Amino acid sequence: GAGVSQSPSNKVTEKGKDVELRCDPISGHTALYWYRQSLGQGLEFLIYFQGNSAPDKSGLPSDRFSAERTGGSVSTLTIQRTQQEDSAVYLCASSLARLSSGNTIYFGEGSWLTVV
Amino acid sequence: DQQVKQNSPSLSVQEGRISILNCDYTNSMFDYFLWYKKYPAEGPTFLISISSIKDKNEDGRFTVFLNKSAKHLSLHIVPSQPGDSAVYFCAATSNTGNQFYFGTGTSLTVIP
Repeated sequence: GAGVSQSPSNKVTEKGKDVELRCDPISGHTALYWYRQSLGQGLEFLIYFQGNSAPDKSGLPSDRFSAERTGGSVSTLTIQRTQQEDSAVYLCASSLARLSSGNTIYFGEGSWLTVV
Repeated sequence: DQQVKQNSPSLSVQEGRISILNCDYTNSMFDYFLWYKKYPAEGPTFLISISSIKDKNEDGRFTVFLNKSAKHLSLHIVPSQPGDSAVYFCAATSNTGNQFYFGTGTSLTVIP
C-alpha cells in the first residue's frame, strides 16, 4: 500500500477483555515499530521488529502486551485483560532499515483504544 | 526517564512571524534527530531531520539547528502559516539503538 495501514481505527472495549490491533507496513519496509501515546504524554516505544531478527520488546509495559510479525510484513499487537490505563492511541511505523542509516520512519494514523 | 524533552507544551505565534520550537536531550550517544508534525486524529508525519555531523539543515520554511555541546536542537519555521498549527515532536536515536526517543510535543498555534 501507499502508507502504513492500521486497524481498527477506533476500538472501545470493556476492562478485562483482550484486543488485537493490526498494522500493515509500507511494502518493502523491513523495520516495524509500535508506539503508543497516552493522553497528554509523548510517544512511548513499545516494540521493534527488523527483518528476521529477534524483536526488541524492551518497551512493552507488562506481560499483558505481546506482538508478532508474520512473514516479515503484517504485525499484530495484542493486549490481554485490558485495563483503563491501556487507553491510548497505538501507532505503528515502518522504515526501510534501521534509523541510524538515516531513513525516515513513516507512521500510520493510529488505533485509538478506549477501555471502559 | 525522559531522554528527550520538550519543555514548552504550547506556543502561539502570529502568522508571518518565526516559530521556534525547542528540544533538549540527555544521551550523548544520540546521533540522528528528527522532527515530526501531528494533526489531531492523524499519525505523526516526518518533517525534517539532522545528523550529528551537521549543525543545520534547511528545507524550505523549516530549519533545524543542532547544538551538540548543549544537547539542544531547535526547529525554526519562517514565515509561520496557519496550516502549521499542529503538535510538533522531536525525536532522537543512536546507531547502537533500536528505538526513537520522542519528546512530549509542543502544540503550535499560528494566529491568522
